[in-house]
Amino acid sequence: DIVMTQSPDSLSVSLGERATINCESSQSLLYRPNNKNYLAWYQQKTGQPPKLLINWASTRESGVPDRFSGSGSGTHFTLTISSLQAEDVAVYYCQQYYTVPVTFGQGTRLEIK
Amino acid sequence: QVQLQESGPGLVKPSQTLSLTCTVSGGSISSGSYYWTWIRQPAGKGLDWIGRISTDGRTDYKPSLKSRVTLSVDTSKNQFFLELSSVTAADTAVYYCARDNVYCTGGSCYPRWFDPWGQGTLVTVSS
Repeated sequence: DIVMTQSPDSLSVSLGERATINCESSQSLLYRPNNKNYLAWYQQKTGQPPKLLINWASTRESGVPDRFSGSGSGTHFTLTISSLQAEDVAVYYCQQYYTVPVTFGQGTRLEIK
Repeated sequence: QVQLQESGPGLVKPSQTLSLTCTVSGGSISSGSYYWTWIRQPAGKGLDWIGRISTDGRTDYKPSLKSRVTLSVDTSKNQFFLELSSVTAADTAVYYCARDNVYCTGGSCYPRWFDPWGQGTLVTVSS
């Protein structure tokens, strides 16, 4: 199985500041024939199911604010929130879909400082 | 838009079988190329993919759960199902159903991201 490791486990950021969450995979998620990275990011607020934010490592889902961005390739990926808003408090997960079984990172809890 | 809703017993005794149903509304479960997935989340922990099923009954399971998991589908009812046998306290979790937006080519369907998700249902394993 591909192991997904996120860092940090928790993060406190002031409103309006940048938040950065890292995700590392145990093997490359880059599929050379189409040059795409098979990685998604989700946001999970308390008591809710996860919400898809980004796929293909950097493609925002429709309706996701543009303060959310994804980057990275191969085995190292980053989710960045450019200017933290109060409603962004949540746990964030990365997920690889390069192969079955699909696996998730352990999650990063984002709080307001 | 498609919505998913889990249902089933909230309490299961150890060694028994956990059975859950996911009902798909707002569209046909057979429409498009999708797999239908179960994911669980123990309290305060991360997301754990259990397995997936296509509408023609093809399945993939997490290897460590494969001996205890059975997924099935009833397209006439727009539902798919999870059975997990010989449960222990370690199986206590919120169970989600979700749609896998797979890509199919050459007879194989490759996983993608999950959207939408059901709201989740808490299943507690306890005597």
